[in-house]
Amino acid sequence: GAVVSQHPSRVICKSGTSVKIECRSLDFQATTMFWYRQFPKQSLMLMATSNEGSKATYEQGVEKDKFLINHASLTLSTLTVTSAHPEDSSFYICSASDLPYDRGVSGNIQYFGAGTRLSVL
Amino acid sequence: SQQGEEDPQALSIQEGENATMNCSYKTSINNLQWYRQNSGRGLVHLILIRSNEREKHSGRLRVTLDTSKKSSSLLITASRAADTASYFCATDTGRRALTFGSGTRLQVQP
Repeated sequence: GAVVSQHPSRVICKSGTSVKIECRSLDFQATTMFWYRQFPKQSLMLMATSNEGSKATYEQGVEKDKFLINHASLTLSTLTVTSAHPEDSSFYICSASDLPYDRGVSGNIQYFGAGTRLSVL
Repeated sequence: SQQGEEDPQALSIQEGENATMNCSYKTSINNLQWYRQNSGRGLVHLILIRSNEREKHSGRLRVTLDTSKKSSSLLITASRAADTASYFCATDTGRRALTFGSGTRLQVQP
């Protein structure tokens, strides 16, 4: 159980185009979804947190207009990289939790998608 | 800034040997988790240890937690080539999403 599907696994695009990445929880309701960015041989950097039906909470330094997050249902969240540039090339990973992201909630385990390798030419 | 720093950054051992990775963190936590990442893939949850626990086992995994030193260790016993991966600790402070450490890249030589 607790499977998260992320699609596509790899995308190559031209500079200036927009890319949409989907993250789906297949066998549970993902109350909260997280989007991370990871550079080679480095740790995960949290970009934003979203609760179903609410606006995403972005981490400091992450451009909201650049990285659009939609979490319209309990099983689907999307990250759209708008007007992508070479510096946006990275490995993007989503994760999902079946617990709401809120103060006092702990013990939640995150279930990760397989990641999306974005290369912007 | 990262909550967790891991040590060593890279570890190479022979199959059958034990692998020990350490994680240090800065603030109080509700629990600490360990995840594994195969190259170019997502993370897989391995084990969770709560702040009031000192040791936990799961198969060949043994995790310890010392809240006074703000540190944790992950021991993989009788390692196998398939254990080759990066291992991350993640802290849950109850105030925000999990914060991941810098990771340890483990290479198990067959």
